[in-house]
Amino acid sequence: AQSVTQLDSQVPVFEEAPVELRCNYSSSVSVYLFWYVQYPNQGLQLLLKYLSGSTLVKGINGFEAEFNKSQTSFHLRKPSVHISDTAEYFCAVSEGGTSYGKLTFGQGTILTVHP
Amino acid sequence: DADVTQTPRNRITKTGKRIMLECSQTKGHDRMYWYRQDPGLGLRLIYYSFDVKDINKGEISDGYSVSRQAQAKFSLSLESAIPNQTALYFCATSDSPGQGSYEQYFGPGTRLTVT
Repeated sequence: AQSVTQLDSQVPVFEEAPVELRCNYSSSVSVYLFWYVQYPNQGLQLLLKYLSGSTLVKGINGFEAEFNKSQTSFHLRKPSVHISDTAEYFCAVSEGGTSYGKLTFGQGTILTVHP
Repeated sequence: DADVTQTPRNRITKTGKRIMLECSQTKGHDRMYWYRQDPGLGLRLIYYSFDVKDINKGEISDGYSVSRQAQAKFSLSLESAIPNQTALYFCATSDSPGQGSYEQYFGPGTRLTVT
């Protein structure tokens, strides 16, 4: 069984400041890792994913994440946030390879960007 | 037009009533999923289907049933609704391993309130 823990339920930050949203996972098998964003009253949109290869993954809207296998982490970062980044962010994990499909989500982190 | 649509978008129903939530997709994906979102809990998988003849229980299937009427349609039913099924419900689709992006595409959600 897999599990995902997002270490911060809420992260307030000022505009143009850097931000890191933390995610740890546990799994006994190889995994694929994802970050999704949910804007108010909308569905989820994929920000980025790690399947294999380079551990630094770049996504949309200037976000990036680093896969750290030894620490079982997949933290999301952005060097300079905008007001429009205010949203809820979800880390998710799936078994890799042909077992891909079911996502296990973390509890979510609400990012609030203040002017 | 949206790739994944859900109907209704909002529904208020009474305890004990049967209710069906519908999901349609135009992405041509074989795989479809139903999740529910509760504040502070993230999204949890209710049921998933890897093709028309394949239905599987997810993490929290008790009190729910599903029907996969066609590749493009996947319905979720609450046989006898109870208040703790009040939540935001999402349908999602994905392609099969090795065929594409390993991204799940989410519908806009159905907000269900059981009184």
